[in-house]
Amino acid sequence: NAGVMQNPRHLVRRRGQEARLRCSPMKGHSHVYWYRQLPEEGLKFMVYLQKENIIDESGMPKERFSAEFPKEGPSILRIQQVVRGDSAAYFCASSPPTSGKGQETQYFGPGTRLLVL
Amino acid sequence: AQRVTQPEKLLSVFKGAPVELKCNYSYSGSPELFWYVQYSRQRLQLLLRHISRESIKGFTADLNKGETSFHLKKPFAQEEDSAMYYCALSRYNTDKLIFGTGTRLQVFP
Repeated sequence: NAGVMQNPRHLVRRRGQEARLRCSPMKGHSHVYWYRQLPEEGLKFMVYLQKENIIDESGMPKERFSAEFPKEGPSILRIQQVVRGDSAAYFCASSPPTSGKGQETQYFGPGTRLLVL
Repeated sequence: AQRVTQPEKLLSVFKGAPVELKCNYSYSGSPELFWYVQYSRQRLQLLLRHISRESIKGFTADLNKGETSFHLKKPFAQEEDSAMYYCALSRYNTDKLIFGTGTRLQVFP
């Protein structure tokens, strides 16, 4: 099992462009979480998805940000019209279906570092 | 609102010294608490969780509901323990993780 994969690892965009970040969960995992880490801060939750459903998007900015986890393929975090403040590390985590025995462990990807010029 | 506080940004100790990384939380219910670690050039990984009550790499953490704390301890630090440590909380099964800002542990030879 290759672990959670994220690509690209580094992404440079100019203000106003779009950024697409991809996350492939571990095999057998049906839950995907996206977190953002601004410089000198901890990871902050953005959105939680299951296949074809957004379960919790309470951490997503209301504008320009969207996420999906289609039936086939990776989860995508999309940022439209990027601004300098979007520069951050974006981490994806996945977890298996709930076993009913407490929180399933979230396994993290290596992150995508977005730099907006 | 739920919150996790790690008061120390940096903790420096010598090899063999005891280590305690502090974590306090605020949540009125019964949370699940975790410690995640990120070694240099590696991804974030789970170190331990309070419901497991196990010791990983010599580290232990006890949930103190009275003091709302979940401090991470190790009696004798090793150089390979140098890393970034994050305390995190979740409220229920598939809940998001709420992270503290992290503590960088430096263990000198």
